[in-house]
Amino acid sequence: QQQVKQSPQSLIVQKGGISIINCAYENTAFDYFPWYQQFPGKGPALLIAIRPDVSEKKEGRFTISFNKSAKQFSLHIMDSQPGDSATYFCAATLRGDYKLSFGAGTTVTVRA
Amino acid sequence: NAGVMQNPRHLVRRRGQEARLRCSPMKGHSHVYWYRQLPEEGLKFMVYLQKENIIDESGMPKERFSAEFPKEGPSILRIQQVVRGDSAAYFCASSPAAAGVGNEQFFGPGTRLTVL
Repeated sequence: QQQVKQSPQSLIVQKGGISIINCAYENTAFDYFPWYQQFPGKGPALLIAIRPDVSEKKEGRFTISFNKSAKQFSLHIMDSQPGDSATYFCAATLRGDYKLSFGAGTTVTVRA
Repeated sequence: NAGVMQNPRHLVRRRGQEARLRCSPMKGHSHVYWYRQLPEEGLKFMVYLQKENIIDESGMPKERFSAEFPKEGPSILRIQQVVRGDSAAYFCASSPAAAGVGNEQFFGPGTRLTVL
């Protein structure tokens, strides 16, 4: 069974708009939630990550919001740029573990 | 500073043939992880290796799949007698120490396996 569910599968946003990707997880023991960005022909690269002791983390135009009680977390891309067009994966794992459980990915297209 | 290298990038095999996927970790990295991504699904953990040792193969199918990381050379993921259901993208990642203790996993570009 899929431990991390991600939506939407794809989204299109205008330049300058906000992209929002949502993930939900099953295992309440998960305590590390990274997001990966993947460009065509490349491997996933760590973008930003959060632990459940905070509700929000921001790095530049990228923000993770975390809702522990709902077992949900989301990525917001503010002021989206064409260079942000990529596939984004949410993931989750246990502290000290190496097995990442990935969502199915969201393909983001930013139109100029 | 080269990243994680995988080859071939694309591999086509007929049913029943063998597929050999190679992964060269980043310089200085001695921990390798293999993940498989089936169509419309996220990456799924397969196996974790250190040099000459399989640490965790809990995600590997019980039959036809094997992995190694020899003292010299790349890590190899081997799939014997491939079937159509093996068609997927196979990603390798590496880390300088055991990932999960503050060490990020760095991913390669993947090998796309197509079984005809």
